[in-house]
Amino acid sequence: QKEVEQNSGPLSVPEGAIASLNCTYSDRGSQSFFWYRQYSGKSPELIMFIYSNGDKEDGRFTAQLNKASQYVSLLIRDSQPSDSATYLCAVGPRYGNNRLAFGKGNQVVVIP
Amino acid sequence: EADIYQTPRYLVIGTGKKITLECSQTMGHDKMYWYQQDPGMELHLIHYSYGVNSTEKGDLSSESTVSRIRTEHFPLTLESARPSHTSQYLCASRQGGSYEQYFGPGTRLTVT
Repeated sequence: QKEVEQNSGPLSVPEGAIASLNCTYSDRGSQSFFWYRQYSGKSPELIMFIYSNGDKEDGRFTAQLNKASQYVSLLIRDSQPSDSATYLCAVGPRYGNNRLAFGKGNQVVVIP
Repeated sequence: EADIYQTPRYLVIGTGKKITLECSQTMGHDKMYWYQQDPGMELHLIHYSYGVNSTEKGDLSSESTVSRIRTEHFPLTLESARPSHTSQYLCASRQGGSYEQYFGPGTRLTVT
């Protein structure tokens, strides 16, 4: 089992709709959770991070964390063509370890 | 916006050559990382550093070395380039006490 799973294929959403991305992780002791956006040919850009169960909102982005079910999700409201990118989920492991584990990413295509 | 730089941005080189990929950051971050990423795939950690004169191997480190003589500088060296090294190499940094990693623009390496 991979540490971080992002299994959905490319997600196509109409402009203005909500894009929903999910990520599951295997290490129950994980403490920190991140969403990165990566445009084609570019490096990842941090857009959201969350440490506690529940929701965290930042502009059009909402991260949701459920540690009991070991999943973290990202909602993009009012999707714009500029949101078309690959979204990487990253998970920080237990105390004393500095390494993040990354998922393969989910591609989002916003259709004008 | 993170101030982290990588040179060269693109490199095409022949098999057997020695390569050094440069990474510098001006934020004073103590922790730095090298990742390798193939298209559509996860980021794989190659090496990381907790501070000056402190380096650790990641998952794909057997064919490369790093050094951390200065806080701001974390070069990656491939002693003998092979076509299997063709990939994108991403440098990242973060400040101790924070889990948020910031990425440089990447070096796209092609070994012929």
